Amino acid sequence: DIQMTQSPSTLSASVGDRVTITCRASQSISTWLAWYQQKPGKAPKLLIYSASSLETGVPSRFSGSGSGTEFNFSISSLQPDDFATYYCQECNGYPLTFGGGTKVEIK
Amino acid sequence: EVQLVESGGGLVQPGGSLRLSCAVSGFTFSDHYMDWVRQAPGKGLEWVGRTRNKGNSYTTEYAASVKGRFTISRDDSKNSLYLQMNSLKTEDTAVYYCARTIGGAEPMDVWGQGTTVTVSS
Repeated sequence: DIQMTQSPSTLSASVGDRVTITCRASQSISTWLAWYQQKPGKAPKLLIYSASSLETGVPSRFSGSGSGTEFNFSISSLQPDDFATYYCQECNGYPLTFGGGTKVEIK
Repeated sequence: EVQLVESGGGLVQPGGSLRLSCAVSGFTFSDHYMDWVRQAPGKGLEWVGRTRNKGNSYTTEYAASVKGRFTISRDDSKNSLYLQMNSLKTEDTAVYYCARTIGGAEPMDVWGQGTTVTVSS
């Protein structure tokens, strides 16, 4: 099974900050990686797919990069609506696995 | 509008059974793979399983934690997805989401709002 290790688990930041989250896969997954945003009591929302492609309708301040085993997710200028938990997910093989999540909190 | 609506959650005793449903609308259900994902209280996301589409013989995949106890099925004529859960354990307590996938190594691009399953005596 592919393990996805996401860091940090919690991130404190201010509005306007640039934030970056890292996701590492235990083996190469090419660019078969997605990023989701989840707010309390809500379903996850797809933000990024194929490691760096922005889902339709998602603001351009969100971006993703990486391939193989190391991936980054960034928010260029944190907005009040961005305080949430973010998850990476490998889409390459079974079982599908998610990272442990990164909670982005207000500093 | 693309919509997925789960139902069927509730309180069940350990060892019991429950069947979840996911009613979909706004897209051609039969074209898509569909997933179940769960989230235990205060925890992260856990993939439960997947059903492929008719073109891929409706084959299924499961997480090891549910294999042999849970069964995913679908009825394309009713635009509905199901999760039959048997031999439930307290650790199956979670919010269960259905999600749409285009197929193969693609992400889950549309999610339902979730239904809560509580396994407790």
